Amino acid sequence: ILNVEQSPQSLHVQEGDSTNFTCSFPSSNFYALHWYRWETAKSPEALFVMTLNGDEKKKGRISATLNTKEGYSYLYIKGSQPEDSATYLCASYGSARQLTFGSGTQLTVLP
Amino acid sequence: EPEVTQTPSHQVTQMGQEVILRCVPISNHLYFYWYRQILGQKVEFLVSFYNNEISEKSEIFDDQFSVERPDGSNFTLKIRSTKLEDSAMYFCASSSMGKSYNSPLHFGNGTRLTVT
Repeated sequence: ILNVEQSPQSLHVQEGDSTNFTCSFPSSNFYALHWYRWETAKSPEALFVMTLNGDEKKKGRISATLNTKEGYSYLYIKGSQPEDSATYLCASYGSARQLTFGSGTQLTVLP
Repeated sequence: EPEVTQTPSHQVTQMGQEVILRCVPISNHLYFYWYRQILGQKVEFLVSFYNNEISEKSEIFDDQFSVERPDGSNFTLKIRSTKLEDSAMYFCASSSMGKSYNSPLHFGNGTRLTVT
């Protein structure tokens, strides 16, 4: 994988549902994986920075896992709320010594 | 909570004109960045700046682009002769101590540049 890819591109869930999305990134020369939450008309806000294989991080109802050997990270949201509606961006820092972003997963939580 | 501020929020300019986009990073941060997002595309890295010099730049950041930290607070991106394809949302970001890769970026709200 040469690029950072995210799936799905967009997602609609009902309030209270749990959901997850995927970020795939180049596994060679890996340094760090960042997750950002980007609400409309606001700036991207950092959720997690992960560096170690097997890392799991949690912030309230949101958690993330990291597999550096196979080059993927999952973001989980438990009990989605309407205020979780946003675009979730992942970005990988590798041999290019710059953060390379995916296209994002646009989450809409329906009340 | 301290934040990154960018001005202006929207800049319209004619092709061939020079533009300067301004940013005030968080005061105790050491690393500064410019990113851009062309409508419908991914956020792209332009340049990183540390210790008063460019530390990395992408292939997008050609001779038409320059960055400067003229004083202790501002961080500017200059595009010397704008092209239509420079139209994008430009984001400034900063991060704190430690390696640049493991510190979260703090983004400004962006400047929407429209080149006509």
